[in-house]
Amino acid sequence: NAGVTQTPKFRILKIGQSMTLQCTQDMNHNYMYWYRQDPGMGLKLIYYSVGAGITDKGEVPNGYNVSRSTTEDFPLRLELAAPSQTSVYFCASSYGARSYNSPLHFGNGTRLTVT
Amino acid sequence: AQKVTQAQTEISVVEKEDVTLDCVYETRDTTYYLFWYKQPPSGELVFLIRRNSFDEQNEISGRYSWNFQKSTSSFNFTITASQVVDSAVYFCALSEANYGGSQGNLIFGKGTKLSVKP
Repeated sequence: NAGVTQTPKFRILKIGQSMTLQCTQDMNHNYMYWYRQDPGMGLKLIYYSVGAGITDKGEVPNGYNVSRSTTEDFPLRLELAAPSQTSVYFCASSYGARSYNSPLHFGNGTRLTVT
Repeated sequence: AQKVTQAQTEISVVEKEDVTLDCVYETRDTTYYLFWYKQPPSGELVFLIRRNSFDEQNEISGRYSWNFQKSTSSFNFTITASQVVDSAVYFCALSEANYGGSQGNLIFGKGTKLSVKP
């Protein structure tokens, strides 16, 4: 009964470094999403995917890349980390075609600090 | 433009008090969906409720109740007889049916931090 699993839970990066945030779900959901949550703010959509091989930009995609080679996995890549990317990152998945038809299931988040 | 406003940044109550968390939204669409999510100190986001714009019936689930009023564009959340375990950040969110094709793009409010003291 794992749901959505994110790794790592915490990470500190130096400016200019790269890293990949991992996300996997075992609910056979077609739809997956990456959000970021800045302090005192709500979540903002970075990228989303409607199925394996299909991804699209959300509200704040700059500085990130994604891929979706399998239904289960949706990694988020930061190529040149910047302090502005310090945030908590949440991966989510849903069964339905649109968020209003089925709720999002969230992972526990990855807290990233870029210094 | 779509927007969700949670004017209460932080609320502190004593256990067993009732508390209402306010949520006001803006949207151009006639079809939309409203959500509440809970984020406890452990950090995960927990889905609480979804409401569509055509259903203004209030909903009660145990100690939780929701009051949806289209006339005032509000979707308020009340916890009755609050408990320490209710301490969390609560987010209200909006999803428009025809929002730019961007699926899953929930518009979140900034959240209300609720502290329930024993």
